[in-house]
Formats: sequence, C-alpha cells, structure tokens
Amino acid sequence: DVKVTQSSRYLVKRTGEKVFLECVQDMDHENMFWYRQDPGLGLRLIYFSYDVKMKEKGDIPEGYSVSREKKERFSLILESASTNQTSMYLCASRQQEFLNSPLHFGNGTRLTVT
Amino acid sequence: KNQVEQSPQSLIILEGKNCTLQCNYTVSPFSNLRWYKQDTGRGPVSLTIMTFSENTKSNGRYTATLDADTKQSSLHITASQLSDSASYICVVSSSSGSARQLTFGSGTQLTVLP
Repeated sequence: DVKVTQSSRYLVKRTGEKVFLECVQDMDHENMFWYRQDPGLGLRLIYFSYDVKMKEKGDIPEGYSVSREKKERFSLILESASTNQTSMYLCASRQQEFLNSPLHFGNGTRLTVT
Repeated sequence: KNQVEQSPQSLIILEGKNCTLQCNYTVSPFSNLRWYKQDTGRGPVSLTIMTFSENTKSNGRYTATLDADTKQSSLHITASQLSDSASYICVVSSSSGSARQLTFGSGTQLTVLP
C-alpha cells in the first residue's frame, strides 16, 4: 500500500513565522500535491509537482512556496504565516503514467496561526 | 468554470438503512469521476472510479452510478454501518490530464447512528 506521511498532525504558529510542512511518499510516485481543505469549500490546490525540482502553481498559491529536491519529499512553505492560512493541509501523490490512478493522501496537518 | 456540486451537504441515517449521495458536475471535457471517503482526522481514500463508458460499478456495499448525458453521479450505500460515518467527496477529472484539472466537490457528511 502507498503510504503518504505528513510530519505533523497539529501545528500552532504565530503570525509572521515561517512555517514548513513536510510530506514523504514511499511509492516512487512522480506527481505530488498540496491542498488545503476548509469547511464548505472542498479541497483547493495550492501547488503540485510533476517530478523532482519541477513545480507548478495551483489555484491558490499566494503566500505559499514549495520545494521538491528529492522524489519522495514535497515541502510546503508559508513564508510569513497569516491567520487566514489557518486550515487543514493535505499532501497527496499519484503515479504519472496512469492518469486515471487515484490520489493517495496523507492524514493532514491542521495548522492554526494565531 | 468547472464545478462539482454535491447534495445533501449532510445526512443522518440509522444503522442498517440505505442512503444515496448525489454529485452533479459541469466539467468539460470529461475524463472520469471518482468517489473518495474521508474519515474524521484522516486523508481521503478512493472508493471507486467511473469512466465515460461505465453506468454502474459496485464495491462491496457501495454502488456508484454515472449518467454522462445529465452529468450526474450517485453513490448508494446499502445496509449502512457505523463505520460508514465519514465525508464522501466527488472528484471529476478533465481529459486534459493535467494535475490542475481535478475539480473537487465540497463533500457530503454522513453520520450513521446506532
């Protein structure tokens, strides 16, 4: 089974702090994604990566950046955390050559910015 | 703009009863529709995928339908169990295949009571 591991389940940060959310997958998947999930809004794509060192903006990239130096690891960075970034963050991975393949999600990081 | 709407927003049923969740979409061009189950505190997990040529597909007590003409899908749960309590998310993929072209519904929160 694919395992996607997010380093923290809960994080509490102060406004203005730089925040790192880490995600690791163990199935050699090319594609990796960062979403945020807010009540009533569904999942919204922040950034995704087709392969190592490749990244592309999603629908809501403002205030975020990403890093993918190794295939198994995809990091989400909040350069200067703000209260409106309080949310559940979900990382996912997928095999590229099978575009009908499902997304495999981590269990999420609930971030609170005070 | 691509959209996925799910109904009802929430649903409460008694254990052993059946229920049906709805998903209407305006995604073009259409590639496939996938249902995910998200338990509280966990990431979504794929239940089933429906492609253009499929009308009905079963996965245990879960049966998904797709009407590509009316752009509607349903997820029917038979003989519900307490473990079915979760959020069910409908995700439609555009045939462009880009990672960007996944449109998420906001989910139906199902609660099964003993």
